Amino acid sequence: AQSVAQPEDQVNVAEGNPLTVKCTYSVSGNPYLFWYVQYPNRGLQFLLKYITGDNLVKGSYGFEAEFNKSQTSFHLKKPSALVSDSALYFCAVRGDLDYKLSFGAGTTVTVRA
Amino acid sequence: EAGVAQSPRYKIIEKRQSVAFWCNPISGHATLYWYQQILGQGPKLLIQFQNNGVVDDSQLPKDRFSAERLKGVDSTLKIQPAKLEDSAVYLCASSTRDSLSYEQYFGPGTRLTVT
Repeated sequence: AQSVAQPEDQVNVAEGNPLTVKCTYSVSGNPYLFWYVQYPNRGLQFLLKYITGDNLVKGSYGFEAEFNKSQTSFHLKKPSALVSDSALYFCAVRGDLDYKLSFGAGTTVTVRA
Repeated sequence: EAGVAQSPRYKIIEKRQSVAFWCNPISGHATLYWYQQILGQGPKLLIQFQNNGVVDDSQLPKDRFSAERLKGVDSTLKIQPAKLEDSAVYLCASSTRDSLSYEQYFGPGTRLTVT
């Protein structure tokens, strides 16, 4: 069975500092990895995905993520966080042997001014 | 383009009552998903449609939940009778096709409270 772990329930950073949200996964076959963001009372918004190729993936709003196959990780990063980045972030994975998209429990990011 | 539409946005019912949620996916999207998101958890897939056919309903509690997608466009998810543990946000999502590499687009969700 495939699964996603987001080890931190909350991440707090100061505006302008680097932001990292951690994600590790377990999947049979090749992984297809996604990051989504959820603002209050709104649905999930797609940020970026890793399918194949370059391990560093760039996405919306200045976010990027690094795929590490040996560590089965897909950490989300932003070099300089903004207050408006405060939201709930979900990592998700699909495997080519199980098409269901499995989500982590989410990490709440708070960026203080 | 217009996003995924869902209604109602909020619903409060008593246990053992029935409730229905409606979803209109992005135009042209063949694949439609219903997820249940319980507070503090990530979304969990309930059912997936490809056009008007069911692809995966392995996690749908079929004794009380049902879903349909007539004509391969709009979809309805129904709960009858509701239980307290059904309190959650029900998210609808769509994608152009059912491919591993295609991202899903989510609606705003329906927040259900069962009292």
